[in-house]
Amino acid sequence: DSGVTQTPKHLITATGQRVTLRCSPRSGDLSVYWYQQSLDQGLQFLIQYYNGEERAKGNILERFSAQQFPDLHSELNLSSLELGDSALYFCASSIGTSGSTDTQYFGPGTRLTVL
Amino acid sequence: GENVEQHPSTLSVQEGDSAVIKCTYSDSASNYFPWYKQELGKRPQLIIDIRSNVGEKKDQRIAVTLNKTAKHFSLHITETQPEDSAVYFCAATPGNSGGYQKVTFGIGTKLQVIP
Repeated sequence: DSGVTQTPKHLITATGQRVTLRCSPRSGDLSVYWYQQSLDQGLQFLIQYYNGEERAKGNILERFSAQQFPDLHSELNLSSLELGDSALYFCASSIGTSGSTDTQYFGPGTRLTVL
Repeated sequence: GENVEQHPSTLSVQEGDSAVIKCTYSDSASNYFPWYKQELGKRPQLIIDIRSNVGEKKDQRIAVTLNKTAKHFSLHITETQPEDSAVYFCAATPGNSGGYQKVTFGIGTKLQVIP
């Protein structure tokens, strides 16, 4: 157990809908990262937050948005869902204060299925 | 941006043999290189990492080597066991910039250890 929690574990929804994925980082970690992993694909970095502020952006679609709250938990919002958005979404956290040499710890993931 | 290439994409070895996975990166500013193991349907878990001021690091049956000049790093698993079967991801992180950490992952190597 990495100490990073994600809810829900599974999510099934229809095209055009909007969903929210939630992540709680490890105690003491200030940085949260979101990744998308499609079937048999690698990990695609979406976005990073550090202490409530957006710090880095990867291949995140405009239909997707995220935020980190004062208690450091984060939410990833996916809207106007398409079939291709079906994937495993991982959240990871790190201490954040040592910058680029931080070790990231992954949560168990949320499996999103868009029908 | 950073580009990480990983090979082979699949690797089958006999139990007890060694396995080597290689990655190259493009950004000479990258200074942190973690390796993750992901079992089917589970979260990626950090198994070993190396920083750019170190050439080699070992942890029991696992070792990682880094060649900064050639911009490549490798994962070595000796005396492989069936439980080593998983997908292994390499990653590279560019230099520190105020808590900014955009990690680029390789495509992954599916390792199968045959009993």
